[in-house]
Amino acid sequence: SQELEQSPQSLIVQEGKNLTINCTSSKTLYGLYWYKQKYGEGLIFLMMLQKGGEEKSHEKITAKLDEKKQQSSLHITASQPSHAGIYLCGATDIPRLGTYKYIFGTGTRLKVLA
Amino acid sequence: GAGVSQSPRYKVAKRGQDVALRCDPISGHVSLFWYQQALGQGPEFLTYFQNEAQLDKSGLPSDRFFAERPEGSVSTLKIQRTQQEDSAVYLCASRVREGQETQYFGPGTRLLVL
Repeated sequence: SQELEQSPQSLIVQEGKNLTINCTSSKTLYGLYWYKQKYGEGLIFLMMLQKGGEEKSHEKITAKLDEKKQQSSLHITASQPSHAGIYLCGATDIPRLGTYKYIFGTGTRLKVLA
Repeated sequence: GAGVSQSPRYKVAKRGQDVALRCDPISGHVSLFWYQQALGQGPEFLTYFQNEAQLDKSGLPSDRFFAERPEGSVSTLKIQRTQQEDSAVYLCASRVREGQETQYFGPGTRLLVL
């Protein structure tokens, strides 16, 4: 079965610094999702990547999927305290839209110091 | 509705008690998912509904876990004879339809079994 590994497990950065979170799969990814979770809340959808080499941005967050579709990175530029939370990658390895069997990484806990 | 809602938000149960967790998906969403999230881990798939049909329940940990969605909207996850290892956050997510990838998550129900 597919597994997703995230690194680092936790991260503390000073406000204004850039940071990168990685998500690595043991199998080819056919859909890679990034979510943010705050304590006591559900997951908030950030971005979805499907094509090798694809890159998407939303405000100061950029996500990329490598050409081999086995690794994704999430990059935050000029971090702010509002970026703090747990970032989770989720994926499916079934090459068909609409599959329901998603798996998630263990998350990266981000703290941004003001 | 505006988003996925879950109730109760917190539940403390004595070992051996039965509990019922409710999920109200976004109105009109066909797909509904239940996940279990242990402390410090990512969500793990429990079960999947398409309308009222439970298409996959392979993630349910034991036969003490039961989920239903009788009218294709609200869903209930029931845990009988709760055990301490059932303590976790139970997340519900809904999706517009098969073929639409983005899942929208509720805030979760935090279950603590004493």
